[in-house]
Amino acid sequence: DAGVTQSPTHLIKTRGQQVTLRCSPKSGHDTVSWYQQALGQGPQFIFQYYEEEERQRGNFPDRFSGHQFPNYSSELNVNALLLGDSALYLCASSLGGGGTDTQYFGPGTRLTVL
Amino acid sequence: EDQVTQSPEALRLQEGESSSLNCSYTVSGLRGLFWYRQDPGKGPEFLFTLYSAGEEKEKERLKATLTKKESFLHITAPKPEDSATYLCAVQPGGYNKLIFGAGTRLAVHP
Repeated sequence: DAGVTQSPTHLIKTRGQQVTLRCSPKSGHDTVSWYQQALGQGPQFIFQYYEEEERQRGNFPDRFSGHQFPNYSSELNVNALLLGDSALYLCASSLGGGGTDTQYFGPGTRLTVL
Repeated sequence: EDQVTQSPEALRLQEGESSSLNCSYTVSGLRGLFWYRQDPGKGPEFLFTLYSAGEEKEKERLKATLTKKESFLHITAPKPEDSATYLCAVQPGGYNKLIFGAGTRLAVHP
């Protein structure tokens, strides 16, 4: 049973650049959530996608945007990168429908902004 | 405001020395409380979901309990391989997002 996969594993960018991170959900899951985890902190919710629509959004600026494809995979895009965007970006998948569905996390993408 | 506080921030145990981690929360309408384990540089690994006060769940040396204001993760006779950061998260009513605490870093020494 394939778990959540993310690519790339690591990424180095400079301030002002744009980045795209990718996520494939666990087999059978249709909902993808994205989180940002700064060093020494717990993950912070960015947004969630279900049926190719952004369903909920956390307290992140519009520089953070996303997309979900018909096969349920998802992308996270960050524009105009800032030094403070350096973090571990986590994707979590779950089964939609509005219930209390456990979110399963991928290994993350480590983004470093110089 | 929905909030999760974990204590202690760090815990050092000798192998076999049992202890408990605390997760205090304030949330509007709890849908579920989740425990995850996270190894350095990796994604969180799901451990337990608790839904209502009085509920308990066990897995190997770990046992999670839930009251109306807090949850405990009890570790019985820990081994060095239990060393990790343990994260607690709540899912507020009407939302699908998880709100995480900062975690407890556990180190178990032989």
